[in-house]
Amino acid sequence: EAAVTQSPRNKVAVTGGKVTLSCNQTNNHNNMYWYRQDTGHGLRLIHYSYGAGSTEKGDIPDGYKASRPSQENFSLILELATPSQTSVYFCASGEPGTGGQAPLFGEGTRLSVL
Amino acid sequence: SQWGEENLQALSIQEGEDVTMNCSYKTYTTVVQWYRQKSGKGPALIILIRSNEREKRSGRLRATLDTSSQSSSLSITGTLATDTAVYFCATDGRGSALGRLHFGAGTQLIVIP
Repeated sequence: EAAVTQSPRNKVAVTGGKVTLSCNQTNNHNNMYWYRQDTGHGLRLIHYSYGAGSTEKGDIPDGYKASRPSQENFSLILELATPSQTSVYFCASGEPGTGGQAPLFGEGTRLSVL
Repeated sequence: SQWGEENLQALSIQEGEDVTMNCSYKTYTTVVQWYRQKSGKGPALIILIRSNEREKRSGRLRATLDTSSQSSSLSITGTLATDTAVYFCATDGRGSALGRLHFGAGTQLIVIP
């Protein structure tokens, strides 16, 4: 069964600390994405990848780095976490192509930066 | 942005009623995807309508697309309490080959049993 698994599901971090959010997919999809979702707003794209070893900036990449060491794994890294990065983060995987290849989403990681 | 300024909207209805949610977008898209997000879960695709389609149905769901006004709607007939969720529309901004989607703020639908 297709799945996207995120870890941890909840994280409390201190300002200035380093945070790594992990994502694993068993769908053999080439593309993976990191979004953040803030209360009352839609999802915004942070970084994405179209295969192992590649990362690309999304719409709001500042303060974030990404790493795609393998087809299955995609990490989001906050080198110096700030309170403004408190949010819910979603990872997704999907296949490229025009006309609507809908991504599959994980269940999210709730991050609080104090 | 794809959407301009917008905030999450909220609708509260009785079970059994029909409901329609709307979204508008600013730039060309090859497809409009509608997602449902239940509390504590990730979004899940529920229906997709392509730019060459005017209407799409799936069970109790009906999506419409008007490319001239750059707007789409999602209707749910005979709502159930289990339809309570946030509903998002998403566009792909000229059919990005990398599947980049732009999401609206969504509509919070509460269906009262």
